[in-house]
Amino acid sequence: EVQLEESGGGLVKPGGSLRLSCAASQFSFSTYHMSWVRQAPGKGLEWVSSISGSGDYSHDSDSVKGRFTISRDNAKNSVYLQMNSLRAEDTAVYSCAREEVVCTNGICYSYFDPWGQGTLVTVSS
Amino acid sequence: SSELTQDPDVSVALGQTVTIICRGDSLRTYYANWYQQKPGQAPIVVLYGTTNRPSGIPDRFSGSSSGNTAALTISGAQAEDEADYYCHSRDSSGNRWVFGGGTKLAVL
Repeated sequence: EVQLEESGGGLVKPGGSLRLSCAASQFSFSTYHMSWVRQAPGKGLEWVSSISGSGDYSHDSDSVKGRFTISRDNAKNSVYLQMNSLRAEDTAVYSCAREEVVCTNGICYSYFDPWGQGTLVTVSS
Repeated sequence: SSELTQDPDVSVALGQTVTIICRGDSLRTYYANWYQQKPGQAPIVVLYGTTNRPSGIPDRFSGSSSGNTAALTISGAQAEDEADYYCHSRDSSGNRWVFGGGTKLAVL
C-alpha cells in the first residue's frame, strides 16, 4: 500500500523556523511530483508547494514564496518543507501528497493521491 | 486570476441529486479535480480531469464543465456522502495549483 507519513510539526514562535519531512513508501518515489498542502484549523485546503520528481524545479504559492522551500531526497524517499519566518497565519496541518498522473485518450491528468495524515504546525508566542 | 470559488454550504435530501459548483477563470483552460474530505480524515479524490472517476468511487459521482465553471454532481446522495468537497485545478500560469474554498454538503 502506498504510504506517506509526515513528521516535524510542533509549536514555534513567530519568526521561527521548522523543517517538515514526508516519508514515502511502496511506490517509485523519484518518478512522481510531490506537493505540500496545508489546512488551517476549521478552514479549507491551501496548496503550498510542489516539486518535480528529479527535484530540478519547484513552485510555491504566493503566501509562502521566499519563506518556505520544498526539497526532496530521492535516495531517502522523502520530501521536505523548510519553513522560515513563520507567522501566526501559517498555523495549520501540513500534509504531503503524491501527484498521480493518469493518461486517458491521449490526455494526461494530474491529481493528488494519496495524502498523508498531516503534521500540525502551531505558530504562537 | 488564481482563485476558485465554491458555495460554502449545500444540502440535499437523502436519495436526491445535488450539484456542487466551482467557478474560476483558470477553469476555462484547465481541468478540475474534486476531493471529498470527512472530519479527521485525509482528502480523497472523487473525480479527476473534470469527468473521470478513480476506481472505487461510486458511479453516482459525475462531473462536467462549461466556460469558467466545473460541477460535481451526486445522483442519489447517500448519508455517507456528507462531507466537505473541494475543487482543485491549475492557476492561470499553469505552473501552480489552487483549491476552491470548499463546500460542506449536508445530507438531510
